[in-house]
Amino acid sequence: GQSLEQPSEVTAVEGAIVQINCTYQTSGFYGLSWYQQHDGGAPTFLSYNALDGLEETGRFSSFLSRSDSYGYLLLQELQMKDSASYFCAVRSTDSWGKFQFGAGTQVVVTP
Amino acid sequence: SQTIHQWPATLVQPVGSPLSLECTVEGTSNPNLYWYRQAAGRGLQLLFYSVGIGQISSEVPQNLSASRPQDRQFILSSKKLLLSDSGFYLCAWSADRNTEAFFGQGTRLTVV
Repeated sequence: GQSLEQPSEVTAVEGAIVQINCTYQTSGFYGLSWYQQHDGGAPTFLSYNALDGLEETGRFSSFLSRSDSYGYLLLQELQMKDSASYFCAVRSTDSWGKFQFGAGTQVVVTP
Repeated sequence: SQTIHQWPATLVQPVGSPLSLECTVEGTSNPNLYWYRQAAGRGLQLLFYSVGIGQISSEVPQNLSASRPQDRQFILSSKKLLLSDSGFYLCAWSADRNTEAFFGQGTRLTVV
């Protein structure tokens, strides 16, 4: 089975840096993904780590350490529009290849 | 390009009534399809997933069912809705072995 844990909420001010951690337990997966969801909207893909290390996409970076069963999403130069829920997700390597998502982290950006 | 359509956007149904939510994907073949439910302020609960026509796996025992009558069509149904079925239902698809899931815009279901 798979389980992913992430903090429920993080609050930060505009311009700050926020790190959202994700620890997981899984029997096998292709990589760790991150999704953003604004209130009332659908989740949208942000980033993916297939290998250990850091992936950078603009203000967002994501990190994976398979040996530590741990990853994180780093949000830099926070903007008000970054207020949203962020989910980590894995896709299993079994024949079904299903996606499993963490419970989500609500990021609240304050002026 | 690939697109996913999910409807209706909102739905208010009385307890005990049936349910049918439809999801279709365009621009790809043999997608992996998923139904998720999200309670207010909560995470995504995987309900059903399908790797092909007639191949559907249920994650959570409940009074919901799913069907895949065509390659790119995924339907979520219930014969009798419960109050606890209220929530935000999301359909998603992914390509085989791909890393990204694409979501429909969701259906907000309120059972009254």
